[in-house]
Amino acid sequence: NAGVTQTPKFQVLKTGQSMTLQCAQDMNHNSMYWYRQDPGMGLRLIYYSASEGTTDKGEVPNGYNVSRLNKREFSLRLESAAPSQTSVYFCASGGQGGEKLFFGSGTQLSVL
Amino acid sequence: AQKITQTQPGMFVQEKEAVTLDCTYDTSDPSYGLFWYKQPSSGEMIFLIYQGSYDQQNATEGRYSLNFQKARKSANLVISASQLGDSAMYFCAMRERGAGSYQLTFGKGTKLSVIP
Repeated sequence: NAGVTQTPKFQVLKTGQSMTLQCAQDMNHNSMYWYRQDPGMGLRLIYYSASEGTTDKGEVPNGYNVSRLNKREFSLRLESAAPSQTSVYFCASGGQGGEKLFFGSGTQLSVL
Repeated sequence: AQKITQTQPGMFVQEKEAVTLDCTYDTSDPSYGLFWYKQPSSGEMIFLIYQGSYDQQNATEGRYSLNFQKARKSANLVISASQLGDSAMYFCAMRERGAGSYQLTFGKGTKLSVIP
């Protein structure tokens, strides 16, 4: 009964380093999302994928890239991390009806 | 303009009392959905309740109900008989149809503290 699995849970990077956040879902959902959460800002959409092979920008895409590897997996890459990218990152997935998004447990990322 | 507005950064409620968390929204999509999520201090996002724009009745899920006033574009969450475990951040969110998929836009949240 895994749902949405994100890795890693915690990560510390130095400015300029790169990393990839992994996300996988086992609910056969078409849509997957990456959000970031900053204090006082709620959750803001970075990128989303309506289906395998498609990706679209959300509200705050700058500094990020994504890959929808297959229906299950949707990864988020930081090519050159900046302190402004210090945040908690959530992956989510949803079905065709759009009635509910299921969230992963989050990744706490610090960029020094 | 913000799509989702939560005007109460923090709220206090006495245990066993009811509390209303406010949410207003703005959209031109006729087919939208409204959600409430709970985020306890452990950090996970927990789905509470959903209301579709065409639903005639207010949604209810146990102690949670959504007071949906379409003309006023408001979707307030009512928690009855508050419990200590209800202390958390609460986020209102709206689903709209984007490019080939649904997008969820979140408000900035309300921190609810339940007092014994």
